[in-house]
Amino acid sequence: NAGVTQTPKFQVLKTGQSMTLQCAQDMNHEYMSWYRQDPGMGLRLIHYSVGAGITDQGEVPNGYNVSRSTTEDFPLRLLSAAPSQTSVYFCASRSIRRVNAETQYFGPGTRLLVL
Amino acid sequence: SQQGEEDPQALSIQEGENATMNCSYKTSINNLQWYRQNSGRGLVHLILIRSNEREKHSGRLRVTLDTSKKSSSLLITASRAADTASYFCATDHSGSARQLTFGSGTQLTVLP
Repeated sequence: NAGVTQTPKFQVLKTGQSMTLQCAQDMNHEYMSWYRQDPGMGLRLIHYSVGAGITDQGEVPNGYNVSRSTTEDFPLRLLSAAPSQTSVYFCASRSIRRVNAETQYFGPGTRLLVL
Repeated sequence: SQQGEEDPQALSIQEGENATMNCSYKTSINNLQWYRQNSGRGLVHLILIRSNEREKHSGRLRVTLDTSKKSSSLLITASRAADTASYFCATDHSGSARQLTFGSGTQLTVLP
């Protein structure tokens, strides 16, 4: 299993540009989520999904869109990038149906710089 | 806002010593988890303790949970230079739709 994969690893954008951060998992996990991590801080939840076709907002959703058309993929879209969105973005997944499976599995992260 | 708050923010010890990190939270939890993050990498799950458990061990890791004080501690015994990383607690709250809320982390440096 590849686990949770993210692309790209690093991206530079200009203010106002849009882009999509890709996330995929091959563990058949129902729950997927996106976090951002800023220097010296923990992770803050942007959006999450409990299954295909179901998404919901987290703590800091403004400026981001998500969709979940398949179990495997959960892309994060930046509609109009702003310097405040410079951060490291992590995708994570976990099982919901399996008992005692609360562990989240994280991807390696995408470093985004918005100029 | 973040639920978990780790203490201390940074900790520097010598190899072989024990490292203790603390986490406090605000509302009732289903479980509390500890994660490790090496520099420039994603988070890796270390250990989970449920709300009805008070202590749990995994190798050199010992986690305690005091729900009356809404706090947890992570002890790493006989630390090694390879333990140098950031450590985060994450709380799984009742009725939170499976969301994990992360603290700001403790940066542990183990000197050889």
